[in-house]
Amino acid sequence: AQTVTQSQPEMSVQEAETVTLSCTYDTSENNYYLFWYKQPPSRQMILVIRQEAYKQQNATENRFSVNFQKAAKSFSLKISDSQLGDTAMYFCAFMKHEGAQKLVFGQGTRLTINP
Amino acid sequence: EPEVTQTPSHQVTQMGQEVILRCVPISNHLYFYWYRQILGQKVEFLVSFYNNEISEKSEIFDDQFSVERPDGSNFTLKIRSTKLEDSAMYFCASSERTGGVQPQHFGDGTRLSIL
Repeated sequence: AQTVTQSQPEMSVQEAETVTLSCTYDTSENNYYLFWYKQPPSRQMILVIRQEAYKQQNATENRFSVNFQKAAKSFSLKISDSQLGDTAMYFCAFMKHEGAQKLVFGQGTRLTINP
Repeated sequence: EPEVTQTPSHQVTQMGQEVILRCVPISNHLYFYWYRQILGQKVEFLVSFYNNEISEKSEIFDDQFSVERPDGSNFTLKIRSTKLEDSAMYFCASSERTGGVQPQHFGDGTRLSIL
């Protein structure tokens, strides 16, 4: 079974700073996908960024980038030039490449961006 | 942008009663999911549904739970005889097809409170 661990329950940074959220996972699969979802106070979970395990290049989406270390089973999210609107719960999630596509989530990190 | 919509946003039910949570997935999506999040805990997969049948279900999804796509637009989760431990936020999600490159889009969730 796959597990996803986010070791930082809460983080807080000043606006415009860079912040890195940690995620580690455990799997015996070789091909899989990793995701970061954001859940603002409005509750809807929104996909931030995704990474395919067979791609060595780290995914980037504007101010969001990941550091994917497959051997270490680590998948951290870096938010550059943080904005007040980045305040949210952030969930790391794993999905197998084959079979039914259920997401396995970590516990979440509550990120607060302070003005 | 198309959204997954869930109703009601909050449902309060007496223990032992049946409850139906409703979801309208994005119209061209073919794969549907239910997840739940007990307060302070991880988001957990319940069930996936495709082509009018369950693709995969978790250990949580026992005989008290059922899903249905009654009319081609709605996707419902029924809990037949609710228990106190069913109190949670329930999220519906849909995707166009399987595969991590097709992300799951989440609704706002229904907060279910069992008294």
